[in-house]
Amino acid sequence: AQSVTQPDIHITVSEGASLELRCNYSYGATPYLFWYVQSPGQGLQLLLKYFSGDTLVQGIKGFEAEFKRSQSSFNLRKPSVHWSDAAEYFCAVGTIQGAQKLVFGQGTRLTINP
Amino acid sequence: KAGVTQTPRYLIKTRGQQVTLSCSPISGHRSVSWYQQTPGQGLQFLFEYFSETQRNKGNFPGRFSGRQFSNSRSEMNVSTLELGDSALYLCASSPGSTWDTQYFGPGTRLTVL
Repeated sequence: AQSVTQPDIHITVSEGASLELRCNYSYGATPYLFWYVQSPGQGLQLLLKYFSGDTLVQGIKGFEAEFKRSQSSFNLRKPSVHWSDAAEYFCAVGTIQGAQKLVFGQGTRLTINP
Repeated sequence: KAGVTQTPRYLIKTRGQQVTLSCSPISGHRSVSWYQQTPGQGLQFLFEYFSETQRNKGNFPGRFSGRQFSNSRSEMNVSTLELGDSALYLCASSPGSTWDTQYFGPGTRLTVL
C-alpha cells in the first residue's frame, strides 16, 4: 500500500539558516508528489508538486524540492528561512491507481529561532 | 476571489448524534474534497465530489457520507458520532481534475463528548 514517511516530527532552525525537510514514499507506480504547509489555525496551502519532467521543482515562498527515484525521496529545501516559515509541513503522494487521492505523511513541525 | 469557506468553524456534539458540515468552494471550482485531520491518524482523505457525483472515496465507514449540490457547494454528514470522530475536518476545492491545485478551507473543528 502507498505510504509517506516524514522522519522528523519536529525541526528547529535559526532564522536565515538553510532548511531541508525529508520525505520518503512507498508507491508502486510513478508517483505524483506534493508538499503542503499548514500555519496555525489555517488550512493547507500547496507549496509545490511534481508529476514528471525536471526532478528539481520550484515552488512558492522560495521553496524547492528534488525527486530522487532511486531513494524514493522528495525532500523540501529552502536556502534561508524566515520567521514566517514556522508551520507544519506535509508531504503527500497522489495515488493514481484505484481511488485517486492524496496520502499524507504525518507532518514535520518547523520552529524558527530568532 | 473569495477562498474556500467552511461552516461552522467549531462544533460540539455528543456520542450518538449526527452532524452536518458545509463547504463552499471557490467560485468556478467543480471539485470538492474532504479530509479528516487528527493527532493520531494525521490527514486522511474522506471523499471527493465532482459535478454532484462522488468521484473518489477513502477508507472510512459508511457513517461518513457527503453530497454536492448543483452550485458545487458540498456537505458531509457523520451519523452516530463516536469519540474518535473528534477531528479537524478540512474541505478543499479545485477547478476540475483531481490533480489540479487544491485550495483548502480553514476547517471545522468537531469535538465529540
